Amino acid sequence: KQEVTQIPAALSVPEGENLVLNCSFTDSAIYNLQWFRQDPGKGLTSLLLIQSSQREQTSGRLNASLDKSSGRSTLYIAASQPGDSATYLCAVIAIGGAQKLVFGQGTRLTINP
Amino acid sequence: EPEVTQTPSHQVTQMGQEVILRCVPISNHLYFYWYRQILGQKVEFLVSFYNNEISEKSEIFDDQFSVERPDGSNFTLKIRSTKLEDSAMYFCASSEVYRAGETQYFGPGTRLLVL
Repeated sequence: KQEVTQIPAALSVPEGENLVLNCSFTDSAIYNLQWFRQDPGKGLTSLLLIQSSQREQTSGRLNASLDKSSGRSTLYIAASQPGDSATYLCAVIAIGGAQKLVFGQGTRLTINP
Repeated sequence: EPEVTQTPSHQVTQMGQEVILRCVPISNHLYFYWYRQILGQKVEFLVSFYNNEISEKSEIFDDQFSVERPDGSNFTLKIRSTKLEDSAMYFCASSEVYRAGETQYFGPGTRLLVL
């Protein structure tokens, strides 16, 4: 059974710092990995999707990497801003998992002005 | 940009009552999903739906739950007799095609509180 874990559970950094959020998954047989942002009490906004054949994806100040063989992904946020404060979730679709996303518990990020 | 919409945004109900959560997927999407997130816990898959049939359901999705596409635009989740533990945020999602690893687009969620 696929399990997704995110470390740390919470992170607080000063504005302007670069930071890395971590995601690990137990079964490397995945179609893709997706990073989401969730603001308090709100829905899920997709940030980046990495197909299993890819190593990384970039969007603006965000860069996500995928090491499928080791079951790890990182989300790198450059030059953090207070508006980046949110919970970041990673999720995978496992091969044979019939399109269902399996989520981690998220990292709650606070960027301090 | 097209988006998934959900109504209501919040619903409060008494234990044992039936609730119907509504979703309007993106118009050209064919594959639909429900997920839920109990406060402080992970987002969990409930059910996927394609071609007017359930494709897969989780062990959470018992006989108290049902899904339906009553017309060409809506996708609903019904909980027949709500329990306290059904209190959660319910998310609808859709994807364009039935293809392995296709991107799922999420709605804003319905927060359900069962008293």
